[in-house]
Amino acid sequence: QQQVKQSPQSLIVQKGGISIINCAYENTAFDYFPWYQQFPGKGPALLIAIRPDVSEKKEGRFTISFNKSAKQFSLHIMDSQPGDSATYFCAATISGYSTLTFGKGTMLLVSP
Amino acid sequence: SQTIHQWPATLVQPVGSPLSLECTVEGTSNPNLYWYRQAAGRGLQLLFYSVGIGQISSEVPQNLSASRPQDRQFILSSKKLLLSDSGFYLCAWNPKDGLNTEAFFGQGTRLTVV
Repeated sequence: QQQVKQSPQSLIVQKGGISIINCAYENTAFDYFPWYQQFPGKGPALLIAIRPDVSEKKEGRFTISFNKSAKQFSLHIMDSQPGDSATYFCAATISGYSTLTFGKGTMLLVSP
Repeated sequence: SQTIHQWPATLVQPVGSPLSLECTVEGTSNPNLYWYRQAAGRGLQLLFYSVGIGQISSEVPQNLSASRPQDRQFILSSKKLLLSDSGFYLCAWNPKDGLNTEAFFGQGTRLTVV
């Protein structure tokens, strides 16, 4: 019930293409869904986050799509660039609750 | 603004030696604090979290322990390291009074046990 399932494990996208990473959850009490970006040797950094009262949130080239009925959410990276090559983690939590539940991560490689 | 400091950045320790990793947060008070480990496979494993001084919750029983001697200080320790303790250790924090409960991570410590 506490799991967040993330796919794919790895992804190769050509420069300028769209990168799509998917996550699914079971616990309907989750009400906050952040995405993290991690470069090699660095700590994860918050990229973008969404609440289930909206179906989409966009920040620059990054968009979260949220499907509450399907209990799924996804990260879309438009016009992917080599500098976007990193590991991406989705996460879920209950507001006011201490811990995040993370997906297992997706290694994204954007080829030049 | 809030910042999180974690040190050392890298550490090579022999099997059986002790470990002490330190994390401090500046610019906030009474934060939730976390220790995560990231093995070679990328996933983030929550090891410990703390909601206050002296309050430690362990998520995974293992060869490690954590302590919070001060409000913004979180320490990860081991009395005797094992080879399997190698990994990338991350400290994180989030505010207790915030509605958005995302965590903010430090830059990590790469521990290699030899």
